[in-house]
Amino acid sequence: QKEVEQDPGPLSVPEGAIVSLNCTYSNSAFQYFMWYRQYSRKGPELLMYTYSSGNKEDGRFTAQVDKSSKYISLFIRDSQPSDSATYLCAMRRDTDKLIFGTGTRLQVFP
Amino acid sequence: KAGVTQTPRYLIKTRGQQVTLSCSPISGHRSVSWYQQTPGQGLQFLFEYFSETQRNKGNFPGRFSGRQFSNSRSEMNVSTLELGDSALYLCASSFTRDTSYGYTFGSGTRLTVV
Repeated sequence: QKEVEQDPGPLSVPEGAIVSLNCTYSNSAFQYFMWYRQYSRKGPELLMYTYSSGNKEDGRFTAQVDKSSKYISLFIRDSQPSDSATYLCAMRRDTDKLIFGTGTRLQVFP
Repeated sequence: KAGVTQTPRYLIKTRGQQVTLSCSPISGHRSVSWYQQTPGQGLQFLFEYFSETQRNKGNFPGRFSGRQFSNSRSEMNVSTLELGDSALYLCASSFTRDTSYGYTFGSGTRLTVV
């Protein structure tokens, strides 16, 4: 079993929809949680960063961490075609290596 | 400011050959990590260097090696290439090893082994 599980999708939604992306993990020692967005033929770019449990909002994006359930989410409000990309969750403990989910491919159609 | 630069962008090699990939981190960044990305496995951690020292290593065979220079530039080398080494190799840099700064990734080197 992988340390971090993520549904690969693809997830296809109409423009303006609310998108929910999720990851589960098994290592309770993870403290730092991130979401990256990766466009085709590009490297991942950091979208959201959260330490421990709680919510964090940045514009149309909200990241949630529930450490008791070992579950993290990324919500995208008013989704746009430009949001079409692969979304990767990532997490780590302290200065250990960053562990990634396999990514969820999102397509937002006009 | 300039981002993380990886060279070359594309590479085709023959099975059994060796290859060296290069990564120039963002100016001032001292930590460099390498990842292998494949459709089936996603991003797999290879190694991390900080101040010219390997700090972390992933579960890859000894054919995969790396190093970091005093200017923080890093190289990774794969010897005796296998078909399964075909992947996107990504380099990421950060200011320190402190997670709060996050990673900045380069666009990667796409290696194809034939």
